[in-house]
Amino acid sequence: AQRVTQPEKLLSVFKGAPVELKCNYSYSGSPELFWYVQYSRQRLQLLLRHISRESIKGFTADLNKGETSFHLKKPFAQEEDSAMYYCALSGHTGNQFYFGTGTSLTVIP
Amino acid sequence: DGGITQSPKYLFRKEGQNVTLSCEQNLNHDAMYWYRQDPGQGLRLIYYSQIVNDFQKGDIAEGYSVSREKKESFPLTVTSAQKNPTAFYLCASSSGQGGEQYFGPGTRLTVT
Repeated sequence: AQRVTQPEKLLSVFKGAPVELKCNYSYSGSPELFWYVQYSRQRLQLLLRHISRESIKGFTADLNKGETSFHLKKPFAQEEDSAMYYCALSGHTGNQFYFGTGTSLTVIP
Repeated sequence: DGGITQSPKYLFRKEGQNVTLSCEQNLNHDAMYWYRQDPGQGLRLIYYSQIVNDFQKGDIAEGYSVSREKKESFPLTVTSAQKNPTAFYLCASSSGQGGEQYFGPGTRLTVT
């Protein structure tokens, strides 16, 4: 069963425009949600996690349990934000991680 | 970059041959993972290990095998039984209990 859904494979926005990368999940219990990012020629790395409630590189993500969503948002996109973004879920049993299919974000100068 | 390494970066094999991908970490992490990354399919879990001498199948374990004899090492063998082995393979580790995963640089395997 698909546990993490990222409906957009590709997303293009202009520099300075707001950006929202969508993520919906399916999991019974209390999962932990993450956003990972892969910049060109770099390894996959953690961007942010919902429990930390931080803003990283201007990005924020709020866990909405009612809508089972964890959308990633940034008010003003920058060219260096162009990357592949993966939403991920961790269940607290078995240490398994579930990744979405990823969204490739392109910020147009 | 350090912490978790994978070798080699590129690997070429003939069909019918088994091949082993290396993954080493010096982060003192208990948990280690192997994923396969294919275009349009995201990361799919092959195997994971929460502790030395123990490992569990992920979603796509068929045709793969692993071992965890040391905390630092979690090699993945792609056997000849894997029907579509050409892919990009990522190894990761974490301190456990759903914590952040740290990824290696990946190995691109091409089987012809």
